[in-house]
Amino acid sequence: GIQVEQSPPDLILQEGANSTLRCNFSDSVNNLQWFHQNPWGQLINLFYIPSGTKQNGRLSATTVATERYSLLYISSSQTTDSGVYFCAVESTGGFKTIFGAGTRLFVKA
Amino acid sequence: SAVISQKPSRDICQRGTSLTIQCQVDSQVTMMFWYRQQPGQSLTLIATANQGSEATYESGFVIDKFPISRPNLTFSTLTVSNMSPEDSSIYLCSVPGIGTNEKLFFGSGTQLSVL
Repeated sequence: GIQVEQSPPDLILQEGANSTLRCNFSDSVNNLQWFHQNPWGQLINLFYIPSGTKQNGRLSATTVATERYSLLYISSSQTTDSGVYFCAVESTGGFKTIFGAGTRLFVKA
Repeated sequence: SAVISQKPSRDICQRGTSLTIQCQVDSQVTMMFWYRQQPGQSLTLIATANQGSEATYESGFVIDKFPISRPNLTFSTLTVSNMSPEDSSIYLCSVPGIGTNEKLFFGSGTQLSVL
């Protein structure tokens, strides 16, 4: 089945810093989503982005489907950005969504 | 978007017992998915629940351990049977949005601890 790899696995930032999280996938995808899981375990949809670029406030994401990767940009990070960021993909020809291992982010005040 | 209610939100159970988790969606959906998130890990798909047919289980998950019911298009249950401490996890149900190529929505999850 499709493989999803996220990097880096862990990231520590000083408040106000910028960061880029990467998601590589091994096969063509129908869907790609970025989620933020907050410290209380809640999964929050950030972006639905099978291709192209989207922006939402301090966050933006780009997916280059032909090269099988997606990037999540966090600018001017805040302590509330802490948590785990997951990339999740649905491969073509299937209805299952597979998650990457996640990037664990800690933003220091 | 879809609104998903999961019950219970958390529970502490004794080994050897079973727990049934309920998932209610505010709209009719063809497929519902059940995921497990072990402590510090990512989400792993347990099974896909289709209305009117048996659930489809992923490798490593079996019906005897995780029986699933799907009596209608808005409701599903997952039972964690004969629990052991290794079953301590967050269990989440999810549904796709309406239409094709729609994003996945998640319930708030059930935090299960097995003593």
